[in-house]
Amino acid sequence: DAGITQSPRHKVTETGTPVTLRCHQTENHRYMYWYRQDPGHGLRLIHYSYGVKDTDKGEVSDGYSVSRSKTEDFLLTLESATSSQTSVYFCAISLQGNTGELFFGEGSRLTVL
Amino acid sequence: DQQVKQNSPSLSVQEGRISILNCDYTNSMFDYFLWYKKYPAEGPTFLISISSIKDKNEDGRFTVFLNKSAKHLSLHIVPSQPGDSAVYFCAASTSGGSNYKLTFGKGTLLTVNP
Repeated sequence: DAGITQSPRHKVTETGTPVTLRCHQTENHRYMYWYRQDPGHGLRLIHYSYGVKDTDKGEVSDGYSVSRSKTEDFLLTLESATSSQTSVYFCAISLQGNTGELFFGEGSRLTVL
Repeated sequence: DQQVKQNSPSLSVQEGRISILNCDYTNSMFDYFLWYKKYPAEGPTFLISISSIKDKNEDGRFTVFLNKSAKHLSLHIVPSQPGDSAVYFCAASTSGGSNYKLTFGKGTLLTVNP
């Protein structure tokens, strides 16, 4: 069973502060993703990674950056958080590389005041 | 522009009856389709998928139908159970590419009443 740990699970911060969310996996899957979920918008892809130091933008990447220095960790950074970034953030890994079937973490709820 | 559309934000059915959730897509490059189920405060979980070479895939109470000419797919749950109450997301991907990304719809909240 794939293991994904997201941290922190809950965070409240103020506008303008930097925030980093961490996604840790235990099984060396190549592909990792960050999605955000918002009412009325479903799940939207922020950034994804296809290997160490290999990342690319998704459909809502503005205001976010990512890093992947190790296979097991994928970090999502909000350099200067805004209220529009209040959301639930999900990390995912690809289990079936040729189909895109994803396994999701439990989510990180971020509130930007 | 939304490439995967779930036009019904919510659906309510009685226990034991059939639930039908619908999804439309606009990108003709999509060739693999998935349904995810999400309970509150949990991550989405994979439910069932279908490749574009098929028009039906069945797994227990869950069946997904694909109509490529109409760019439409549907998820049938028979019989519906109260534990099926959740948000259901339709998703699509292009399996032939080198980066395996899913595009999701906005979701449909299914409520199964006892």
